[in-house]
Amino acid sequence: QVQLVESGGGVVQPGRSLRLSCAASGFTFNYYAIHWVRRAPGKGLEWVAVVSFDGNNKYYADSVKGRFTISRDNSKNTLYLQMNSLRAEDTAVYYCARGGRLIRGSPFDIWGQGTMVTVSS
Amino acid sequence: EIVMTQTPLSSPVTLGQPASISCRSSQTLVHSDGNTYLSWLQQRPGQPPRLLIYHISNRLSGVPDRFSGSGAGTDFTLKISRVEVEDVGVYYCMQATQFPITFGGGTKVEIK
Repeated sequence: QVQLVESGGGVVQPGRSLRLSCAASGFTFNYYAIHWVRRAPGKGLEWVAVVSFDGNNKYYADSVKGRFTISRDNSKNTLYLQMNSLRAEDTAVYYCARGGRLIRGSPFDIWGQGTMVTVSS
Repeated sequence: EIVMTQTPLSSPVTLGQPASISCRSSQTLVHSDGNTYLSWLQQRPGQPPRLLIYHISNRLSGVPDRFSGSGAGTDFTLKISRVEVEDVGVYYCMQATQFPITFGGGTKVEIK
């Protein structure tokens, strides 16, 4: 079936790095833009980043720009989020979500179950 | 950045009664291509978000018809015609007209 499965979360100290992965199955991965969205404890949803279907275009939230890098490997049907210089405020459940063919405008119709990232000393 | 403001924060509802959630954007969500990229999502406790409605009023396949969306420009509404137990959760509006994509703060629907 159509699904996204995140992995790579865990507990990390402030200032360190972590890489999240999102494995896709059941659909033509290289046709769709894919997003990262997070939800901090007790807070609402926050959009993090998006990569176009071919990996050539990327956009980031200001809160992560310069620290996080989104990428994809279409040969492996996998999306990544490299998170550097992590801060306590990056603590959240991170979800990957499928967009559309175009990088902007499309709704997020498929979501993964999420992976928890905790930044703490 | 487009700010999305949802009201109410919390909505206690009697089973079988209607519920309504409002979402207002700080600027028009009408894109230069003529479309309005406003979606509604539901997040049940312990679950990932789920898309209910996109482009203001289009229900995703499989979403019960008791959910409906309406509005235009900067003012949007999600209505649940008869609340059921499975509707408990937090509801978010989301705009994808302009980067950064932004969400409303969420409205918690609970049973009275």
